[in-house]
Amino acid sequence: AQTVTQSQPEMSVQEAETVTLSCTYDTSESDYYLFWYKQPPSRQMILVIRQEAYKQQNATENRFSVNFQKAAKSFSLKISDSQLGDAAMYFCASRNRDDKIIFGKGTRLHILP
Amino acid sequence: DAGITQSPRHKVTETGTPVTLRCHQTENHRYMYWYRQDPGHGLRLIHYSYGVKDTDKGEVSDGYSVSRSKTEDFLLTLESATSSQTSVYFCAISEVGSSGNTIYFGEGSWLTVV
Repeated sequence: AQTVTQSQPEMSVQEAETVTLSCTYDTSESDYYLFWYKQPPSRQMILVIRQEAYKQQNATENRFSVNFQKAAKSFSLKISDSQLGDAAMYFCASRNRDDKIIFGKGTRLHILP
Repeated sequence: DAGITQSPRHKVTETGTPVTLRCHQTENHRYMYWYRQDPGHGLRLIHYSYGVKDTDKGEVSDGYSVSRSKTEDFLLTLESATSSQTSVYFCAISEVGSSGNTIYFGEGSWLTVV
């Protein structure tokens, strides 16, 4: 079964510091996609970063980067130089070849000024 | 922004009544999804569609049915609403290929069953 687990319901980080959000997943497939989405209080879903499983290089988008460990089925998100606008709920998701997209339960990130 | 419209955006209904939520897209994307979001559960997949008249169940499909008679519309029906179906419902669309598999979300539909 396709599952996504986020083990940290809430996290806090000081402004300008670095924080890492954890995500593990389970799939029997070798070809799949992984995502991190951000949901601010407005409830809008915003794509943060995307990783193709066949790419060994970790994806980066400005202050956001991932640590993709395929063998361990781990996909953590690192946010550098945290800003107040980064405060949100963050969801990890996976997409298999059957195009079913499954999300984790989310991690609520607080930024401390 | 992706052209996704959910309707209604807010609805209060009584237990036992049927409810239909509509998701309309202008992007001609093949894949469409319905999720519900509840505190402590994240987003859970209800049903999804991979083409006209092609649908499949997700993680929490009991009590829900869907239909997709046109590429642009994906309907979610609660045959007989229950209080446990009070939730925020999100529609999402996606395509595959060089576009990179991005998933676009609607703004959500708030449903309260009393």
